[in-house]
Amino acid sequence: AQSVTQPDIHITVSEGASLELRCNYSYGATPYLFWYVQSPGQGLQLLLKYFSGDTLVQGIKGFEAEFKRSQSSFNLRKPSVHWSDAAEYFCAVGANTGFQKLVFGTGTRLLVSP
Amino acid sequence: DAGVIQSPRHEVTEMGQEVTLRCKPISGHDYLFWYRQTMMRGLELLIYFNNNVPIDDSGMPEDRFSAKMPNASFSTLKIQPSEPRDSAVYFCASLQDVATLTDTQYFGPGTRLTVL
Repeated sequence: AQSVTQPDIHITVSEGASLELRCNYSYGATPYLFWYVQSPGQGLQLLLKYFSGDTLVQGIKGFEAEFKRSQSSFNLRKPSVHWSDAAEYFCAVGANTGFQKLVFGTGTRLLVSP
Repeated sequence: DAGVIQSPRHEVTEMGQEVTLRCKPISGHDYLFWYRQTMMRGLELLIYFNNNVPIDDSGMPEDRFSAKMPNASFSTLKIQPSEPRDSAVYFCASLQDVATLTDTQYFGPGTRLTVL
């Protein structure tokens, strides 16, 4: 069965600084990988996803993520953080039999300081 | 499209009462998912439907929980009787078609349930 680990519960970044959120997955085959963002009181919004091909994936709001099979990682990055990026970020993995069943990490809460 | 619609947004009830959460998926989506989010357990899949048929309910915590999808545009998640440990945010999500490899799940805004 697949699993996801997000080792950082909270991260604080200064506005304008770069950001990297870590995600490690466990799955025997090539996974489908996702990053979602959840603003307070809101549902989850998809930032980006990886199915195959180019391991560097571009998403919305200036985010990107890189799939590294050798490290079983799918870290999320943004070169310059804006105050509006403060939210909770979830990494998820789906089996390659389909993405009906997603397993989510426990999330990383991003705080942006002025 | 209005996206996935959930109601109510907030529900406060007393232990032992029946609670019904409602979801309207995005029109044309074949799959519907119910998730529960708590601080302790994170986001968990409870059940999902394909073309109104329950496919996997292995995440439903116990018999007090039941879910139905009488038609393509409506689903309910019912808890009877409710207990304080059911307090959580319940999300509904829909997905168009898994054969479309670029598709993804779209989430509703959630229902925050508090059981006193």
